[in-house]
Amino acid sequence: DIQMTQSPSTLSASVGDRVTITCRASQSISNWLAWYQQRPGKAPNLLIYEASSLESGVPSRFSGSGSGTEFTLTISNLQPDDFARYYCQQYERYPWTFGQGTKLQI
Amino acid sequence: EEQLVESGGGLVEPGGSLTLSCAASGFTFKHYAMTWVRQRPGTGLEWVATITRDAFGTYHAGSVMGRFTISRDNFKNTLYLQMNSLRAEDTAVYYCARGRGMSGQYIGAFDIWGQGTMVTVSS
Repeated sequence: DIQMTQSPSTLSASVGDRVTITCRASQSISNWLAWYQQRPGKAPNLLIYEASSLESGVPSRFSGSGSGTEFTLTISNLQPDDFARYYCQQYERYPWTFGQGTKLQI
Repeated sequence: EEQLVESGGGLVEPGGSLTLSCAASGFTFKHYAMTWVRQRPGTGLEWVATITRDAFGTYHAGSVMGRFTISRDNFKNTLYLQMNSLRAEDTAVYYCARGRGMSGQYIGAFDIWGQGTMVTVSS
């Protein structure tokens, strides 16, 4: 199975900051990577697909980059709604796997 | 509005069975692959199973292989997860989700999610 490792596990930031979350795959996944945001008690919400494509309706302050084994999610100008948990997920091959999550806290 | 609504969760004893349903509305269900993802209490997300839009392809995680079966009814616009031989470690919120793309690996990003249904396996 492809292991997905996110760092950091917890990230502290303030409104207006720019933050970066990293996701590493245990083997190459080309650009088959998605990023999700999950708020407490809610379903995940797709932010980025194919590593760098912004999902419709998602603010442009979210951006993704990377290919192969290393990927990043960058959030610029943090807003109060952005404080949540973020997951990466590979879909290069089954079983599709998620990172363990990054909690973005104030 | 594109929507997925899960149902069928509840409390079941170890070794028991349960069938989850996911009703789709607001989009052409038969055009999309569908997936079940679960989240154990206080933990991260785990892919469980995927079915292609025509139901010809089904894929299951190793942890549920032989116990869970994903299926769909394109006439009823409904996705199912038949769960047998349930274990305590199957306790989780189960989400159904729509694959963003139509085929191939494009189905692996999930753009629409249900609200989730809780399954508790306990005696």
